[in-house]
Amino acid sequence: DSGVTQTPKHLITATGQRVTLRCSPRSGDLSVYWYQQSLDQGLQFLIQYYNGEERAKGNILERFSAQQFPDLHSELNLSSLELGDSALYFCASSVGGHAGTEAFFGQGTRLTVV
Amino acid sequence: AQSVAQPEDQVNVAEGNPLTVKCTYSVSGNPYLFWYVQYPNRGLQFLLKYITGDNLVKGSYGFEAEFNKSQTSFHLKKPSALVSDSALYFCAVRDKGTYKYIFGTGTRLKVLA
Repeated sequence: DSGVTQTPKHLITATGQRVTLRCSPRSGDLSVYWYQQSLDQGLQFLIQYYNGEERAKGNILERFSAQQFPDLHSELNLSSLELGDSALYFCASSVGGHAGTEAFFGQGTRLTVV
Repeated sequence: AQSVAQPEDQVNVAEGNPLTVKCTYSVSGNPYLFWYVQYPNRGLQFLLKYITGDNLVKGSYGFEAEFNKSQTSFHLKKPSALVSDSALYFCAVRDKGTYKYIFGTGTRLKVLA
């Protein structure tokens, strides 16, 4: 168990809908990262937060948004869903503050858009 | 821009034989490098990292990695492969500006009994 909790584990929804994925980082970790993994593909970096503030943005679509709350949990909002958004969405957390620390990953949320 | 490359989509090795999963990096300055493993329907698990110091880094489950600055490589190795090592392996580099992790495309390791 990595200590990073993601809910829900599975999500099936229709095209055009909106969903929210939730992530609770490890206790004490200030940084949260979101990644998308499609069909055994590599990990595409979406967005990163550090202590409530956005630190880096990757290939995140305008239909997607995220935030990190004061209690450090994070949510990834996906709207106007398309079939191509079906993927595994991972959240990871790290202590932050030093580039030599490793990230710990949650089990992921498998999103299926039908 | 910082990046890592994993030149092999798949590596097959017989059980008991040594295994190597390749990774090369492109980084300005000294890199912070990581290896992760992903089992089916699971999140990524941290194996090991190179920050500084000894070029041979030892990690979890008997894995080790060799940092080679002249060849800009960070290959993952294990002296004797197990069938249970079969999984997807990712190399990653940490961006020193944003601290985000940049992953390679992954290498599927198949250990044959």
